[in-house]
Amino acid sequence: EAGVAQSPRYKIIEKRQSVAFWCNPISGHATLYWYQQILGQGPKLLIQFQNNGVVDDSQLPKDRFSAERLKGVDSTLKIQPAKLEDSAVYLCASSLNRVSGNTIYFGEGSWLTVV
Amino acid sequence: TQLLEQSPQFLSIQEGENLTVYCNSSSVFSSLQWYRQEPGEGPVLLVTVVTGGEVKKLKRLTFQFGDARKDSSLHITAAQPGDTGLYLCAGVSRRTNAGKSTFGDGTTLTVKP
Repeated sequence: EAGVAQSPRYKIIEKRQSVAFWCNPISGHATLYWYQQILGQGPKLLIQFQNNGVVDDSQLPKDRFSAERLKGVDSTLKIQPAKLEDSAVYLCASSLNRVSGNTIYFGEGSWLTVV
Repeated sequence: TQLLEQSPQFLSIQEGENLTVYCNSSSVFSSLQWYRQEPGEGPVLLVTVVTGGEVKKLKRLTFQFGDARKDSSLHITAAQPGDTGLYLCAGVSRRTNAGKSTFGDGTTLTVKP
């Protein structure tokens, strides 16, 4: 079974530039998550989708971050304009549904460095 | 905001030693999960505990959920270099959106051969 796919794997941009990350979840998984993991910290949930609807985006900095999952499958996360503090690993994850205790499968992450 | 505190933050031991890491919160969780994350990869689920007082074993790893469902521990017996990694706990609160996991900042374990 294919895992969660993410791209690009690594990205270096200058501050104030924009960047987009793509995620393809495990086939059949209705719930998709984007997490931000800053070095030395645990993952922090940015946004959670159930199919193509947003369930939770309370910690998404909406002035610069946006995400969509138009057809309920793939998702993109965009940052515009980027700030130095956005340097982090952006982890996409998916699960069958949003039942508590469901296994969440993570991708390898997209590493962003803002200089 | 439900905060999960993990301790110790860093742990370096010799192969063959035993260790315990902790995950504590003031919040009650409906379930708690432990993940291991290796450098350059995403976290991988090790176990989910649901019932207060529950103990689960996975080979040399023993996971315990506190009676009050606010804390958990992970004990590793006879650690091996392959156990090296970042151990993360994540809790799902009864009061939050189902399926949303709040992560601690992890314990970085290094097992030296």
